[in-house]
Amino acid sequence: KNEVEQSPQNLTAQEGEFITINCSYSVGISALHWLQQHPGGGIVSLFMLSSGKKKHGRLIATINIQEKHSSLHITASHPRDSAVYICAVNSGGSNYKLTFGKGTLLTVNP
Amino acid sequence: ETGVTQTPRHLVMGMTNKKSLKCEQHLGHNAMYWYKQSAKKPLELMFVYSLEERVENNSVPSRFSPECPNSSHLFLHLHTLQPEDSALYLCASSQGTSGHSYEQYFGPGTRLTVT
Repeated sequence: KNEVEQSPQNLTAQEGEFITINCSYSVGISALHWLQQHPGGGIVSLFMLSSGKKKHGRLIATINIQEKHSSLHITASHPRDSAVYICAVNSGGSNYKLTFGKGTLLTVNP
Repeated sequence: ETGVTQTPRHLVMGMTNKKSLKCEQHLGHNAMYWYKQSAKKPLELMFVYSLEERVENNSVPSRFSPECPNSSHLFLHLHTLQPEDSALYLCASSQGTSGHSYEQYFGPGTRLTVT
């Protein structure tokens, strides 16, 4: 069992829908990261958080340390949001070593 | 543009070839990373350098040889690879590796195919 589990694996939505992607982890962490990977490979860091909630534009990330759970929300989704969203955690006392989930493939149709 | 560049973007090599992947970061960071991304698998950390010193070698076969001549450049030298080494190789950088967690900034990757 992977230390970082994401759900769903695949998600298809219509433009404008509110989207939630979930991440659960089984270890103690110092930080959790949400990353976005577009077709072609490049990865962009969206959020790094260790408590509470962060917002950037239409993206919101929350984390519940007690529940070992984080969610990434996208409001008013758009076809350009189509990408793979990856959850990763700093665990084992490491500030640089990331353990990655398998990713969630999001497709937003116009 | 993330400030981390990788060349080449695509590479096809035979099992007896020797090639190198190059990564350059323009962000003034002190740490650089190599990752491997195979189909249907999570990203795997290969190597980490902090201030040009290797701080992590994640049980990577010796046919992969990293080099970090300065904090802006990172190479991955490849020799006698196997077909199962075909993957996307991603470079990343961060401000540091100790004290607290840092965001990592990724390059576009090199798509490697071993024939």
